[in-house]
Amino acid sequence: GESVGLHLPTLSVQEGDNSIINCAYSNSASDYFIWYKQESGKGPQFIIDIRSNMDKRQGQRVTVLLNKTVKHLSLQIAATQPGDSAVYFCAENIRGTPLVFGKGTRLSVIA
Amino acid sequence: DGGITQSPKYLFRKEGQNVTLSCEQNLNHDAMYWYRQDPGQGLRLIYYSQIVNDFQKGDIAEGYSVSREKKESFPLTVTSAQKNPTAFYLCASSVPGRAYEQYFGPGTRLTVT
Repeated sequence: GESVGLHLPTLSVQEGDNSIINCAYSNSASDYFIWYKQESGKGPQFIIDIRSNMDKRQGQRVTVLLNKTVKHLSLQIAATQPGDSAVYFCAENIRGTPLVFGKGTRLSVIA
Repeated sequence: DGGITQSPKYLFRKEGQNVTLSCEQNLNHDAMYWYRQDPGQGLRLIYYSQIVNDFQKGDIAEGYSVSREKKESFPLTVTSAQKNPTAFYLCASSVPGRAYEQYFGPGTRLTVT
């Protein structure tokens, strides 16, 4: 795996605003792209996934966009709340193989 | 309630000692995983098991060992050969074929001095 620094990229958002968290992925052969949320001191929690043959998928207050041309994945959170403060990881998966996690982005919500 | 339990939450050991981290799940998942997370970093795969009595090395298996004698349990042993064992260890499980949707335990923070 690639080495990463000790400091995560941070996104600060005002409560009620929309958040956009971005991720660049590496493997164009991946079948699924996934977002996980990790609150401080806890294990990650699955948020939403998108198959490689889709470019948009919506969940509850979240939307994931996939741009295969530039290998870019984004997670949009509508009406960001204090409970959304966490580290968000993107991940990619080729069916039958383990997940590969990205580096993570820390989202801080300002009340 | 179905879920994954890891115990203990905090573990302290002296250098040179082996230590075993517990992971139990009652989700009836066949696949289980162990990850290591260092401060401010992502998750790195140590070992995974897709079925009882079978497991594969992940990206950073050196200095670790696992067993999978029961579907519900996937203990991880951090051996004295692991050069830098202090980290946050996470166990996860999934349904086969849905490795992208993993359920994580609360983690064990291991400190070796």
